[in-house]
Amino acid sequence: QKEVEQNSGPLSVPEGAIASLNCTYSDRGSQSFFWYRQYSGKSPELIMFIYSNGDKEDGRFTAQLNKASQYVSLLIRDSQPSDSATYLCALGYSTLTFGKGTMLLVSP
Amino acid sequence: GAGVSQSPSNKVTEKGKDVELRCDPISGHTALYWYRQSLGQGLEFLIYFQGNSAPDKSGLPSDRFSAERTGGSVSTLTIQRTQQEDSAVYLCASSLALPRTDTQYFGPGTRLTVL
Repeated sequence: QKEVEQNSGPLSVPEGAIASLNCTYSDRGSQSFFWYRQYSGKSPELIMFIYSNGDKEDGRFTAQLNKASQYVSLLIRDSQPSDSATYLCALGYSTLTFGKGTMLLVSP
Repeated sequence: GAGVSQSPSNKVTEKGKDVELRCDPISGHTALYWYRQSLGQGLEFLIYFQGNSAPDKSGLPSDRFSAERTGGSVSTLTIQRTQQEDSAVYLCASSLALPRTDTQYFGPGTRLTVL
């Protein structure tokens, strides 16, 4: 059974800092990885996907994948209070397995 | 264009009653997924449709849960004889079912409360 582990947090960072969110997974065969953001009371929205080892950048967001070590991370540069949300790591294809999420709090 | 829509947005029911939750996916999306999210928990996969067929029903927690999809579009999740532990937010997502980079777009969810 696929397992996805995330630190529940909250991770607190000051405005302008880099927030680093981490996720480890158990299924070595996993090929596709996703980061979703979920604001309180709202549904998840996709931030990024990654399927190759290394870094993938999109604006202030960078996803990092290391299949050998079975972890995927999300870096948020220049964190803003509006980034405060729960970040969900997910993996798989068609049926996604989600972690329980890390709550990020960005203080002004 | 329009996103995934779900109805009702909130449903309060009494224990033992049946409920139906509806999902209208993004037009053209062939894949449709149902998840549920309990308070403080992650998303729990329930069932996946490709077109009208359900190749993966492994997440349905009991035989009280069933789902169907007609015309490759709208899907209905039915919970019979509801129990208090069924209380959760039920989320529907749809996607184009692309290999590797498939993106699932979520609806706003239905908050189910079983009294």
